[in-house]
Amino acid sequence: EAQVTQNPRYLITVTGKKLTVTCSQNMNHEYMSWYRQDPGLGLRQIYYSMNVEVTDKGDVPEGYKVSRKEKRNFPLILESPSPNQTSLYFCASSLGGSSYNEQFFGPGTRLTVL
Amino acid sequence: RKEVEQDPGPFNVPEGATVAFNCTYSNSASQSFFWYRQDCRKEPKLLMSVYSSGNEDGRFTAQLNRASQYISLLIRDSKLSDSATYLCVVNGASSASKIIFGSGTRLSIRP
Repeated sequence: EAQVTQNPRYLITVTGKKLTVTCSQNMNHEYMSWYRQDPGLGLRQIYYSMNVEVTDKGDVPEGYKVSRKEKRNFPLILESPSPNQTSLYFCASSLGGSSYNEQFFGPGTRLTVL
Repeated sequence: RKEVEQDPGPFNVPEGATVAFNCTYSNSASQSFFWYRQDCRKEPKLLMSVYSSGNEDGRFTAQLNRASQYISLLIRDSKLSDSATYLCVVNGASSASKIIFGSGTRLSIRP
């Protein structure tokens, strides 16, 4: 089944404790992206990647890191999480190395930073 | 001014009604436009792309007005299952640009 998977689905952590949210897609998509969704603010793009070893900042990259060593994986790293990073996070992928195509989303990761 | 703006709603309409949403965008060089649907606590899913000539998919019609920089979504004969949040999505001026989501319009269809 073609899909985007994220892990973990739910995470409660404490300020300053490094964490990684994994994202993997099995559709051979070049474009991958991370979003956070907050009430009243909609989805905001954190980072995106046009292809392997190519990453760019979205609207809200501060406090996050990403890497794209393989086509299928695009992990999101929070080196020192803070309470304002409490949010619902979505990973997405799309065909082709462009932002023009339909995006397929993972099921989301609900992160709480205490 | 936000790059993509939507009326947050909620829109509360009876089953069978016709409802329309608008979404305005600020970057006149934007190239691609979409409507996504998001159910409560679920991931967004593509509803339809929006083409310059307008496009229709069953009860749904999407329009793009480049001169006024807005896109619209029309839902005819609304069903209870149409209750969701509708997200307007606009990309930037190039294929390598970031993607901007509107904050969404909540629609509730009542029996």
